[in-house]
Amino acid sequence: GAGVSQSPSNKVTEKGKDVELRCDPISGHTALYWYRQSLGQGLEFLIYFQGNSAPDKSGLPSDRFSAERTGGSVSTLTIQRTQQEDSAVYLCASSLEQVANYGYTFGSGTRLTVV
Amino acid sequence: AQSVTQLGSHVSVSEGALVLLRCNYSSSVPPYLFWYVQYPNQGLQLLLKYTTGATLVKGINGFEAEFKKSETSFHLTKPSAHMSDAAEYFCAVSSYGNNRLAFGKGNQVVVIP
Repeated sequence: GAGVSQSPSNKVTEKGKDVELRCDPISGHTALYWYRQSLGQGLEFLIYFQGNSAPDKSGLPSDRFSAERTGGSVSTLTIQRTQQEDSAVYLCASSLEQVANYGYTFGSGTRLTVV
Repeated sequence: AQSVTQLGSHVSVSEGALVLLRCNYSSSVPPYLFWYVQYPNQGLQLLLKYTTGATLVKGINGFEAEFKKSETSFHLTKPSAHMSDAAEYFCAVSSYGNNRLAFGKGNQVVVIP
């Protein structure tokens, strides 16, 4: 596609429920990233996929968070047993292999509210 | 590890005045530096970047930034603020072979008419 697409754009869920957030990167971009943006906290790295390599999961805050990327394209971020502190904007980005040349292209994000 | 410091979460500037957003980085290897802008309810958009070569980098919307190795800085400027510049601005750092960007906490810019 022309840009990075994320869905849903907004999600309100009850505490304790599971949620899935979807990211459709730019076609041909080998790298895909998930970040979390909380008020006043900037962007927090969550996970990074590069081609067929094992993902870098070092930023996932707890084992309630997981992500997968199927067929080197679409990615899903899953949060199990959501807590109120999970409320944030979840941003997905993709890039060509050499990020230094191009930077990231970001999606518009999914705003998650846990009530 | 690489990191970025942006001071002052909120920056107010009068319309027509100079916009100056400060970014200092920490990196043990030559850095690649980026500025992103985020408008309300949108993702981040690349403003400009420095990788190698000329240290004064020009970006979109009249913004520019200068890489100063001796000061470990990459400050963002625009000579004359416009109402449409109201947004959040993020500085980020990476390096050769490192495909992750480390972001600062951002500056929320408010333009006063």
